[in-house]
Amino acid sequence: DQQVKQNSPSLSVQEGRISILNCDYTNSMFDYFLWYKKYPAEGPTFLISISSIKDKNEDGRFTVFLNKSAKHLSLHIVPSQPGDSAVYFCAASVETSGSRLTFGEGTQLTVNP
Amino acid sequence: DAGITQSPRHKVTETGTPVTLRCHQTENHRYMYWYRQDPGHGLRLIHYSYGVKDTDKGEVSDGYSVSRSKTEDFLLTLESATSSQTSVYFCAISPGPTNYGYTFGSGTRLTVV
Repeated sequence: DQQVKQNSPSLSVQEGRISILNCDYTNSMFDYFLWYKKYPAEGPTFLISISSIKDKNEDGRFTVFLNKSAKHLSLHIVPSQPGDSAVYFCAASVETSGSRLTFGEGTQLTVNP
Repeated sequence: DAGITQSPRHKVTETGTPVTLRCHQTENHRYMYWYRQDPGHGLRLIHYSYGVKDTDKGEVSDGYSVSRSKTEDFLLTLESATSSQTSVYFCAISPGPTNYGYTFGSGTRLTVV
């Protein structure tokens, strides 16, 4: 049972344009969401997070949007840079119960120069 | 990340042999996790630890055991390796349950032949 789903295995965008990565979840108890970025031969690194009390969180070129009614979150990268090319994982948890992170399958983003 | 190291980085082993992977941290974090990464599945939790000698199962724990005899070390053992356990294994640490985000190691690529 995949509780966190990233339906697009890959995404290709041009440098300078916007990258939008999507994530859907099924567990309505999830109240904290994170995005991780992973380069080849390295471990994932934390990128940005959002609590369910917010619908948007911004950090430089990265913005995460949360639509609780649709159980959907998205990561926007503007402008996209070639160094952003990586696998992006979304993750979710039930913060108040201290549960572990549940990850999606990942989306390979390729930013073309 | 220098605060967390995994060993070995690569290993090839034969079906039926026992294998132990090591995760070592210097951050004095209470929580430690073992994940495996497989195409189409993302990161799936195998086992985790919330303190010395305190461990619990994740979603894909069959065929794996763990031990944590001191804060800094978390060992993952495949009792009798199978080809289905060929994967990339990541260790992660966090000071708290979830909302601090995880710090991941660089991974161990295990091939069972």
